[in-house]
Amino acid sequence: GESVGLHLPTLSVQEGDNSIINCAYSNSASDYFIWYKQESGKGPQFIIDIRSNMDKRQGQRVTVLLNKTVKHLSLQIAATQPGDSAVYFCAERGRGKLIFGQGTELSVKP
Amino acid sequence: KAGVTQTPRYLIKTRGQQVTLSCSPISGHRSVSWYQQTPGQGLQFLFEYFSETQRNKGNFPGRFSGRQFSNSRSEMNVSTLELGDSALYLCASTLGTSGANVLTFGAGSRLTVL
Repeated sequence: GESVGLHLPTLSVQEGDNSIINCAYSNSASDYFIWYKQESGKGPQFIIDIRSNMDKRQGQRVTVLLNKTVKHLSLQIAATQPGDSAVYFCAERGRGKLIFGQGTELSVKP
Repeated sequence: KAGVTQTPRYLIKTRGQQVTLSCSPISGHRSVSWYQQTPGQGLQFLFEYFSETQRNKGNFPGRFSGRQFSNSRSEMNVSTLELGDSALYLCASTLGTSGANVLTFGAGSRLTVL
C-alpha cells in the first residue's frame, strides 16, 4: 500500500544529546510534509511541518530538513529531554490525504 | 477550546459483531479524517468527511463505513468484525479549507475483537 518509510524503528539517545530521526518518502509529487509525536495512550501531536519549496524549517528545539533529490526527510531534536521519549511519525500529503510512515520510537536515557 | 473527542475510549467486541465509534471535532473544524493504527501497519487512512460528504477514501473493505452530521461530528462503523480489526482508531479534524493541512488528533478508540 501507500507508505512513507522510516530507516530505523528505534533510537536511543542520552539526555542532552541531539536526536536525528530519518524518513524516506515515496511520492516525488508530494508538496507538504509533517512530523507528529505520539506518546503512550495519546493521539499523535503536531511537531513541525515543511512545504516542498523549502529545504529547512526550524521550530523550538526541532528542525526539519527536506532533501527532494533523494526523497528524504529528517527531524532533528536539540538537547533531547526525557519528555521527548515517544514514537515519531513523518507524513506526506498526497492525493488529498496524509500518508504516514511506520514510526520511530525515541528513547531518552537519563 | 476543547480538542478532538472520541468515544468510547476502549471497547471489546466479538467476531461478527458490529461497532460504531464517535468523534467530535474541534469547534469550527469541518473536516474529519479517520485512521486505523496497528503495530504492524502503522497509521492507515480510512476516510475523510467534509460538510457531510466523503471527500477521500483509503483502501479498506466496505465493512468500514462512516458518516458526518451537520454539526461536523462523525461516526465510523465496522460491520462483521474480524480479529484483524483490533486496533486503535484515530479521528482527526482540520478546518478543511485549502492549505489547512495540520490534523489535530483525538486520543483514539481502542477496539479489541475476540
